[in-house]
Amino acid sequence: NAGVTQTPKFRVLKTGQSMTLLCAQDMNHEYMYWYRQDPGMGLRLIHYSVGEGTTAKGEVPDGYNVSRLKKQNFLLGLESAAPSQTSVYFCASSYGGLAGSYEQYFGPGTRLTVT
Amino acid sequence: SQQGEEDPQALSIQEGENATMNCSYKTSINNLQWYRQNSGRGLVHLILIRSNEREKHSGRLRVTLDTSKKSSSLLITASRAADTASYFCATDAWTNAGKSTFGDGTTLTVKP
Repeated sequence: NAGVTQTPKFRVLKTGQSMTLLCAQDMNHEYMYWYRQDPGMGLRLIHYSVGEGTTAKGEVPDGYNVSRLKKQNFLLGLESAAPSQTSVYFCASSYGGLAGSYEQYFGPGTRLTVT
Repeated sequence: SQQGEEDPQALSIQEGENATMNCSYKTSINNLQWYRQNSGRGLVHLILIRSNEREKHSGRLRVTLDTSKKSSSLLITASRAADTASYFCATDAWTNAGKSTFGDGTTLTVKP
């Protein structure tokens, strides 16, 4: 099993450009998450999904959109990138259940720089 | 605002010593989890402790939970250089269904 994979690993964007980050998991997990991590800080939840076709906002959703058309994939889109979106983005998945009571499996991260 | 806050922010010890890091949170929780992050990598789950549990062990790891004080501690015994990493607590609450809230982490450096 590959676990959770993220594409791309690195990306540099100019302000105003758009891009999509792809997350894929092969563990048949119901729940998927997108986080951002800024230097020296913990994870902040951007958006998450509790099942195919569903998405919900997290703590810092502004400037991002997501889609979960297939159970195994969770896409994060930046429509008009801003320097404040420079960060490392992590995708995670879990079996689910109420109150997030299952461990999350993380991808390796995507390092995004917006100039 | 972050639900969990780790303390200390940074910890440096010699190989063989024990390392203790703490996590405090603000509201009632269902579970508390600890994760490790090696530099430049994703987080890896270490241990989950439920709100009705007080202590849990996994290898060299010991986690305690005091719901009355809204705090948890992670003890790593006989530390190794390979334990050098950042450690995060994450809280799960019924009011936050489907999501865990992460703290800012403790950076542990184990010197050989």
